[in-house]
Amino acid sequence: AQSVTQLGSHVSVSEGALVLLRCNYSSSVPPYLFWYVQYPNQGLQLLLKYTTGATLVKGINGFEAEFKKSETSFHLTKPSAHMSDAAEYFCAVTEGSGGGADGLTFGKGTHLIIQP
Amino acid sequence: KAGVTQTPRYLIKTRGQQVTLSCSPISGHRSVSWYQQTPGQGLQFLFEYFSETQRNKGNFPGRFSGRQFSNSRSEMNVSTLELGDSALYLCASSLFSGLSYEQYFGPGTRLTVT
Repeated sequence: AQSVTQLGSHVSVSEGALVLLRCNYSSSVPPYLFWYVQYPNQGLQLLLKYTTGATLVKGINGFEAEFKKSETSFHLTKPSAHMSDAAEYFCAVTEGSGGGADGLTFGKGTHLIIQP
Repeated sequence: KAGVTQTPRYLIKTRGQQVTLSCSPISGHRSVSWYQQTPGQGLQFLFEYFSETQRNKGNFPGRFSGRQFSNSRSEMNVSTLELGDSALYLCASSLFSGLSYEQYFGPGTRLTVT
C-alpha cells in the first residue's frame, strides 16, 4: 500500500529565506507524486507533479521539487519565501498508471508560517 | 473558464439524517473525484466517477455513495450521518480518468453533524 509522510506539521521561516518542506513516500511501483497548496477556506491547488522523466520538477509560484528514488523523497523547495506563501501544503502519491484513477494518498500536511 | 463549483458551501445536519452534496466540474471535464478532509484523518479518497461509472472507491462504509450524471455533474450522498462525518468534502475534476490528467479542486462543502 502506498503512504506519504510529511515531516513537520508546522514549519516557520523568515520572509526571504529558503523554504524546505519534506515528503517521503512508500510505494510498491514507480509513483506519481504531487504537491498541493491549500489556502484557508479554499480547495487544493496543484503546485507541481512528477510522473516520469526529469527528476527536478518546477511548479508555480517559484516552487520546485526533486524526486529521489533512492531516498524515496520528494521534498518541496522555494529559494525565497514570500508572505503570500503562508498556507497548508500537502504531498500526495498514487500508483496509478494513467489508465485509471486510483485516488491520491495524501500526507497529513505541513502548515507553512512566514515570519516578517 | 469557470472552476469546479460545489454546493452548498456549508451544511449543518443532525446525527441520523442523510445529506446530498453536489459538484459541477469544469466544462468539458468528465472525471469527478471526491475526498473527505478532517483534522484527524487528513485527506482521504472517497471515490471517482468517469462517464457515469464509478471507477474506484476508497475505504469508506457503504453509507457513502455517489453518482454522476450525463452532463458530468456529480453528487455524493451520506446516509445515517454520524458525528465523525463532520468534515470538509472536496470534489475534483479532470479532463479524463487517470492521473496523467491534472485534478482541479473545488472549494469544498463544510458539513457539520450535530
